[in-house]
Amino acid sequence: QKEVEQDPGPLSVPEGAIVSLNCTYSNSAFQYFMWYRQYSRKGPELLMYTYSSGNKEDGRFTAQVDKSSKYISLFIRDSQPSDSATYLCAIKAGNMLTFGGGTRLMVKP
Amino acid sequence: GAVVSQHPSRVICKSGTSVKIECRSLDFQATTMFWYRQFPKQSLMLMATSNEGSKATYEQGVEKDKFLINHASLTLSTLTVTSAHPEDSSFYICSAITGGVGEKLFFGSGTQLSVL
Repeated sequence: QKEVEQDPGPLSVPEGAIVSLNCTYSNSAFQYFMWYRQYSRKGPELLMYTYSSGNKEDGRFTAQVDKSSKYISLFIRDSQPSDSATYLCAIKAGNMLTFGGGTRLMVKP
Repeated sequence: GAVVSQHPSRVICKSGTSVKIECRSLDFQATTMFWYRQFPKQSLMLMATSNEGSKATYEQGVEKDKFLINHASLTLSTLTVTSAHPEDSSFYICSAITGGVGEKLFFGSGTQLSVL
Protein backbone atom coordinates (compact mmCIF):
# COMPACT_ATOMS: atom_id res chain seq x y z
CA GLN A 1 0.00 0.00 0.00
CA LYS A 2 1.35 3.40 -0.95
CA GLU A 3 1.66 5.96 1.84
CA VAL A 4 -0.41 8.45 -0.12
CA GLU A 5 -3.10 7.30 -2.52
CA GLN A 6 -4.66 9.51 -5.16
CA ASP A 7 -6.99 8.57 -7.98
CA PRO A 8 -5.16 9.32 -11.26
CA GLY A 9 -8.32 10.21 -13.14
CA PRO A 10 -8.80 11.69 -15.63
CA LEU A 11 -11.68 13.55 -14.07
CA SER A 12 -13.79 15.35 -16.65
CA VAL A 13 -16.33 17.98 -15.58
CA PRO A 14 -18.31 20.73 -17.31
CA GLU A 15 -17.39 24.34 -16.77
CA GLY A 16 -18.94 25.73 -13.59
CA ALA A 17 -19.06 22.41 -11.77
CA ILE A 18 -17.76 21.85 -8.26
CA VAL A 19 -14.72 19.60 -8.35
CA SER A 20 -13.66 17.34 -5.52
CA LEU A 21 -10.11 15.97 -5.50
CA ASN A 22 -9.05 13.56 -2.79
CA CYS A 23 -6.11 11.79 -1.21
CA THR A 24 -5.87 9.20 1.52
CA TYR A 25 -2.79 8.54 3.57
CA SER A 26 -1.65 5.87 5.96
CA ASN A 27 0.93 7.55 8.22
CA SER A 28 -0.69 9.29 11.17
CA ALA A 29 2.56 11.23 11.74
CA PHE A 30 1.90 13.38 8.69
CA GLN A 31 1.49 16.96 9.80
CA TYR A 32 1.48 19.31 6.83
CA PHE A 33 -0.83 18.97 3.88
CA MET A 34 -0.34 20.70 0.56
CA TRP A 35 -2.04 20.80 -2.82
CA TYR A 36 -0.20 21.61 -6.03
CA ARG A 37 -1.42 22.29 -9.54
CA GLN A 38 0.79 21.27 -12.44
CA TYR A 39 0.23 22.28 -16.02
CA SER A 40 1.85 20.19 -18.74
CA ARG A 41 5.61 20.71 -18.93
CA LYS A 42 5.61 23.15 -16.01
CA GLY A 43 6.73 22.88 -12.41
CA PRO A 44 4.02 22.28 -9.79
CA GLU A 45 2.50 25.43 -8.30
CA LEU A 46 1.58 25.53 -4.61
CA LEU A 47 -2.16 26.15 -4.27
CA MET A 48 -3.03 25.44 -0.67
CA TYR A 49 -1.34 24.31 2.51
CA THR A 50 -2.73 23.49 5.91
CA TYR A 51 -1.56 21.96 9.17
CA SER A 52 -4.73 21.03 10.98
CA SER A 53 -8.01 19.25 10.53
CA GLY A 54 -10.83 21.32 9.14
CA ASN A 55 -11.33 23.59 6.16
CA LYS A 56 -9.20 26.34 4.68
CA GLU A 57 -10.58 28.53 1.95
CA ASP A 58 -8.81 30.66 -0.64
CA GLY A 59 -10.95 32.09 -3.39
CA ARG A 60 -12.51 29.26 -5.36
CA PHE A 61 -10.36 26.67 -3.59
CA THR A 62 -11.10 24.93 -0.29
CA ALA A 63 -8.71 22.47 1.31
CA GLN A 64 -10.19 20.03 3.80
CA VAL A 65 -8.31 17.75 6.16
CA ASP A 66 -9.79 14.95 8.23
CA LYS A 67 -6.97 13.51 10.31
CA SER A 68 -9.20 10.96 12.00
CA SER A 69 -9.99 9.40 8.63
CA LYS A 70 -6.57 10.22 7.10
CA TYR A 71 -8.35 11.88 4.23
CA ILE A 72 -7.72 15.20 2.52
CA SER A 73 -9.67 16.98 -0.17
CA LEU A 74 -9.39 19.95 -2.47
CA PHE A 75 -12.63 21.51 -3.68
CA ILE A 76 -12.76 23.84 -6.66
CA ARG A 77 -15.90 25.92 -7.05
CA ASP A 78 -17.09 27.34 -10.36
CA SER A 79 -14.47 25.37 -12.23
CA GLN A 80 -12.97 26.94 -15.33
CA PRO A 81 -11.26 25.45 -18.40
CA SER A 82 -8.06 27.07 -17.10
CA ASP A 83 -8.29 24.78 -14.07
CA SER A 84 -7.53 21.83 -16.36
CA ALA A 85 -4.28 20.44 -15.00
CA THR A 86 -2.89 17.70 -12.81
CA TYR A 87 -3.43 18.20 -9.09
CA LEU A 88 -0.98 16.68 -6.64
CA CYS A 89 -1.44 16.28 -2.93
CA ALA A 90 1.70 16.34 -0.79
CA ILE A 91 1.96 15.38 2.83
CA LYS A 92 4.87 16.06 5.13
CA ALA A 93 6.11 14.62 8.40
CA GLY A 94 9.46 15.88 9.68
CA ASN A 95 11.81 15.85 6.73
CA MET A 96 9.78 13.32 4.80
CA LEU A 97 7.58 14.62 2.02
CA THR A 98 5.34 12.23 0.15
CA PHE A 99 3.39 13.02 -3.00
CA GLY A 100 0.25 11.44 -4.34
CA GLY A 101 0.42 10.29 -7.93
CA GLY A 102 -1.70 13.23 -9.11
CA THR A 103 -5.21 13.52 -10.53
CA ARG A 104 -5.65 14.83 -14.04
CA LEU A 105 -8.59 17.23 -14.23
CA MET A 106 -10.27 18.34 -17.45
CA VAL A 107 -12.83 21.14 -17.33
CA LYS A 108 -14.80 21.31 -20.56
CA PRO A 109 -16.31 24.59 -21.77
CA GLY B 1 4.99 33.75 -2.46
CA ALA B 2 8.47 32.34 -2.49
CA VAL B 3 10.07 31.88 -5.88
CA VAL B 4 12.33 29.17 -7.14
CA SER B 5 14.07 29.85 -10.43
CA GLN B 6 15.23 26.98 -12.63
CA HIS B 7 17.40 27.39 -15.70
CA PRO B 8 17.47 26.47 -18.52
CA SER B 9 13.86 25.66 -19.29
CA ARG B 10 14.79 23.56 -22.27
CA VAL B 11 18.00 22.03 -23.51
CA ILE B 12 18.82 19.86 -26.49
CA CYS B 13 22.20 18.19 -26.54
CA LYS B 14 24.16 15.49 -28.30
CA SER B 15 24.69 12.11 -26.74
CA GLY B 16 27.82 12.02 -24.61
CA THR B 17 27.77 15.65 -23.54
CA SER B 18 27.11 16.92 -20.03
CA VAL B 19 24.30 19.26 -19.11
CA LYS B 20 24.04 21.48 -16.04
CA ILE B 21 20.72 22.63 -14.61
CA GLU B 22 20.57 25.41 -12.03
CA CYS B 23 18.02 25.87 -9.28
CA ARG B 24 17.93 29.10 -7.28
CA SER B 25 15.78 30.21 -4.39
CA LEU B 26 15.23 33.90 -5.08
CA ASP B 27 13.83 35.32 -1.86
CA PHE B 28 14.67 32.78 0.81
CA GLN B 29 17.53 30.60 1.90
CA ALA B 30 17.06 26.92 1.23
CA THR B 31 19.07 24.52 3.31
CA THR B 32 17.42 21.67 1.47
CA MET B 33 16.56 21.35 -2.18
CA PHE B 34 15.14 18.41 -4.05
CA TRP B 35 15.56 17.15 -7.59
CA TYR B 36 12.84 15.25 -9.40
CA ARG B 37 12.41 13.58 -12.72
CA GLN B 38 9.10 13.29 -14.50
CA PHE B 39 8.12 11.30 -17.55
CA PRO B 40 5.07 12.26 -19.63
CA LYS B 41 1.78 11.77 -17.80
CA GLN B 42 3.55 10.32 -14.79
CA SER B 43 4.05 11.67 -11.30
CA LEU B 44 7.18 13.23 -9.88
CA MET B 45 9.99 10.83 -9.08
CA LEU B 46 12.36 12.02 -6.39
CA MET B 47 15.95 11.61 -7.51
CA ALA B 48 17.92 13.17 -4.69
CA THR B 49 17.87 15.49 -1.74
CA SER B 50 20.45 18.25 -1.85
CA ASN B 51 21.76 19.68 1.42
CA GLU B 52 23.83 22.84 1.51
CA GLY B 53 27.44 22.13 2.35
CA SER B 54 27.16 18.37 2.33
CA LYS B 55 26.77 15.47 -0.07
CA ALA B 56 23.42 14.85 -1.68
CA THR B 57 21.30 11.89 -0.66
CA TYR B 58 20.27 9.85 -3.67
CA GLU B 59 17.19 7.70 -3.97
CA GLN B 60 17.57 4.02 -4.69
CA GLY B 61 18.33 3.34 -8.32
CA VAL B 62 19.63 6.83 -9.09
CA GLU B 63 23.26 6.83 -10.21
CA LYS B 64 25.16 9.42 -8.23
CA ASP B 65 28.00 9.47 -10.74
CA LYS B 66 25.55 10.10 -13.53
CA PHE B 67 23.58 12.83 -11.81
CA LEU B 68 25.99 15.11 -9.98
CA ILE B 69 24.44 17.45 -7.47
CA ASN B 70 26.17 20.45 -5.95
CA HIS B 71 24.58 22.65 -3.30
CA ALA B 72 27.33 25.17 -2.73
CA SER B 73 25.23 27.95 -1.24
CA LEU B 74 21.93 28.46 0.53
CA THR B 75 20.35 29.73 -2.66
CA LEU B 76 21.81 27.55 -5.40
CA SER B 77 21.79 23.87 -6.23
CA THR B 78 22.92 22.41 -9.53
CA LEU B 79 22.23 19.09 -11.21
CA THR B 80 24.70 17.95 -13.85
CA VAL B 81 23.70 15.09 -16.12
CA THR B 82 27.04 13.65 -17.14
CA SER B 83 27.59 11.91 -20.48
CA ALA B 84 23.94 12.22 -21.31
CA HIS B 85 22.24 9.56 -23.40
CA PRO B 86 18.81 9.49 -25.06
CA GLU B 87 17.35 7.55 -22.14
CA ASP B 88 18.18 10.51 -19.90
CA SER B 89 15.73 12.64 -21.88
CA SER B 90 13.10 13.74 -19.40
CA PHE B 91 11.59 16.67 -17.52
CA TYR B 92 13.71 17.61 -14.50
CA ILE B 93 12.27 19.73 -11.70
CA CYS B 94 13.86 21.17 -8.60
CA SER B 95 12.19 22.31 -5.42
CA ALA B 96 13.20 24.06 -2.23
CA ILE B 97 11.81 24.24 1.30
CA THR B 98 11.49 27.65 2.89
CA GLY B 99 12.28 26.41 6.38
CA GLY B 100 11.17 27.83 9.70
CA VAL B 101 7.65 27.71 11.09
CA GLY B 102 5.07 26.74 8.50
CA GLU B 103 7.68 25.68 5.99
CA LYS B 104 6.47 25.22 2.46
CA LEU B 105 7.85 23.54 -0.63
CA PHE B 106 8.12 25.51 -3.86
CA PHE B 107 9.05 24.18 -7.27
CA GLY B 108 11.08 25.51 -10.14
CA SER B 109 9.54 25.71 -13.59
CA GLY B 110 11.31 22.59 -14.81
CA THR B 111 13.85 21.74 -17.49
CA GLN B 112 13.02 19.64 -20.52
CA LEU B 113 16.14 17.73 -21.51
CA SER B 114 16.29 16.15 -24.94
CA VAL B 115 19.36 14.08 -25.77
CA LEU B 116 19.82 13.31 -29.45
